[in-house]
Amino acid sequence: QVQLQESGPGLVKPSGTLSVTCAVSGASINSRNFWWTWVRQPPGRGLQWLGEVFHDGTTTYNPSLDGRVSLSVDMPKNLFTLRLISVSAADTAVYYCARRGHEHCTGDCRSIDYWGQGALVTVSS
Amino acid sequence: DIQVTQSPSSLSASVGDRVTITCRASQDIVNYLAWFQQKPGKAPKSLIFAASSMQLGAPSRFSARRSGTDYSLTITSLQPEDFAIYYCQQYKIYPFTFGPGTRVDVK
Repeated sequence: QVQLQESGPGLVKPSGTLSVTCAVSGASINSRNFWWTWVRQPPGRGLQWLGEVFHDGTTTYNPSLDGRVSLSVDMPKNLFTLRLISVSAADTAVYYCARRGHEHCTGDCRSIDYWGQGALVTVSS
Repeated sequence: DIQVTQSPSSLSASVGDRVTITCRASQDIVNYLAWFQQKPGKAPKSLIFAASSMQLGAPSRFSARRSGTDYSLTITSLQPEDFAIYYCQQYKIYPFTFGPGTRVDVK
């Protein structure tokens, strides 16, 4: 059973750095079949894709974050991490980690299949 | 960025109704479209990938199809646990983008 579990600070001060970790169980971060993804949802609003990281550290980010985001993987601990710098109240959201890919096919079958339960991060002084 | 629209933005329905939600992308995404269900206070749940393929565990009353540039999700007989917000997402071209969601509530 694949499970993803976020852990985050809960509260971050404006202009500070937000860091959320996603621990993965039931699957290996080192797999070549999956990308490890972050999505956020501001209170009462829709979903925004933030970026994803591959097992070899290759990353793709949403340009709307203006270069403030970085993703990394920790193979020995089987987890991946989102880091967002220079945060403001607009970054207040539930941050979800997710797995995207498929074990047995390529191409259009590679969508998000599993999600974490989400971590609320509030940016406030 | 590819813009993804959904219609309607909300609908009211009764248990047993047939419900259809439509999603459209601003560029050709060639079936790289997924559907998700989200209930209040919960994480999204994956329902459909590749426009019409069921994720493991998705109930069989959910189905999806592509017709030209329109992608649709249909619930054949709405159940009480289906009242939720439904999102589509294109994953063909970065940055991946979600539709704004369709809220399905009780009539």
